[in-house]
Amino acid sequence: GDSVTQMEGPVTLSEEAFLTINCTYTATGYPSLFWYVQYPGEGLQLLLKATKADDKGSNKGFEATYRKETTSFHLEKGSVQVSDSAVYFCASAPGGYQKVTFGTGTKLQVIP
Amino acid sequence: ETGVTQSPTHLIKTRGQQVTLRCSSQSGHNTVSWYQQALGQGPQFIFQYYREEENGRGNFPPRFSGLQFPNYSSELNVNALELDDSALYLCASSTRDANYGYTFGSGTRLTVV
Repeated sequence: GDSVTQMEGPVTLSEEAFLTINCTYTATGYPSLFWYVQYPGEGLQLLLKATKADDKGSNKGFEATYRKETTSFHLEKGSVQVSDSAVYFCASAPGGYQKVTFGTGTKLQVIP
Repeated sequence: ETGVTQSPTHLIKTRGQQVTLRCSSQSGHNTVSWYQQALGQGPQFIFQYYREEENGRGNFPPRFSGLQFPNYSSELNVNALELDDSALYLCASSTRDANYGYTFGSGTRLTVV
């Protein structure tokens, strides 16, 4: 079945550091890929998405590129802020969007 | 536009009891999915409803059941609660093709004691 693997956390960075959170997926066909963010005590918020190979999703300074050849969708941000501290989930959804498969989440802590 | 609303926000139940969780979908969305998120884990797909019918189910036993109403709101029912059912239950709504992704609610935190 479909699966998503993302790097384990927690990831601790200083403010203004560069962020990369790795994510790889296995799926039949060509799924859509997502990054969701979850702040403490809250539900999931869609951060960005990409629906086909070579698409780049971007939002709030975060970017991720759909790499079919490496089945990856790594999340990057050039300069993190304390307010970016949260848990980040990589996810995939097959055509038809019957269900979304999530990774286990990566906790990011940004210190001043 | 209103987002996804879930109720209640927190709930404590005793093992063996039954529970009903509720979800109001975002305006313009006609598909609702439910997920279970155990502590420290990613959400796991329970099932999805479209046009008041179940449209896909994850690896959950039949004591997990649901309903969707004509206004697209939804309920998740869990019978014979077990301690391992303690989790955050998330509802997500979307259009049928989910072109704009899923909108998640803030969840219901269920604790089974």
